[in-house]
Amino acid sequence: DQQVKQNSPSLSVQEGRISILNCDYTNSMFDYFLWYKKYPAEGPTFLISISSIKDKNEDGRFTVFLNKSAKHLSLHIVPSQPGDSAVYFCAVAYGNKLVFGAGTILRVKS
Amino acid sequence: SQTIHQWPATLVQPVGSPLSLECTVEGTSNPNLYWYRQAAGRGLQLLFYSVGIGQISSEVPQNLSASRPQDRQFILSSKKLLLSDSGFYLCAWSTGTGFNEQFFGPGTRLTVL
Repeated sequence: DQQVKQNSPSLSVQEGRISILNCDYTNSMFDYFLWYKKYPAEGPTFLISISSIKDKNEDGRFTVFLNKSAKHLSLHIVPSQPGDSAVYFCAVAYGNKLVFGAGTILRVKS
Repeated sequence: SQTIHQWPATLVQPVGSPLSLECTVEGTSNPNLYWYRQAAGRGLQLLFYSVGIGQISSEVPQNLSASRPQDRQFILSSKKLLLSDSGFYLCAWSTGTGFNEQFFGPGTRLTVL
């Protein structure tokens, strides 16, 4: 059973517009959430995280929102740039481990 | 600063051959270490993790094994590779304290023919 779901396999956005990537989780006990970015043939790189005591965390063009009641988090990228084109994974912390979603491919068109 | 190394970067192996992938971390002590696999078009699947030398936890039953002979060295092995072992293998580390961010290596592309 998937504990972390990214229901959109891909997303296409025009350069300069907002990209919104979504993630749902099943366990209300999860308390730390992360987003990673991955280019082909490279390891994922950490983008931004949020603790369950917050509902928003911002870092430059990247903002993560957490809706605990809906068990939903989202990553907003504003403005989107062609270099943001990559696979984005959400992850939840579970003890010593991270559980990852299947990823969303973001394509930013110039 | 901390760095993580994986080798080889790419590997093509015949079915039934053995496997050894190595991961080393520099600049930190007593890290948690992880092996993941990303199959084509799929997400990241945790294979093994280790919280200390000789301590290995397996997440999924499979044809692979892991070992941690030194504090900052993590090895992924197989005695006989299967076609289904093909994929992109990633090593990661974390500090092992309350902060859960993991840092990934560059990965190894394994193709089993």
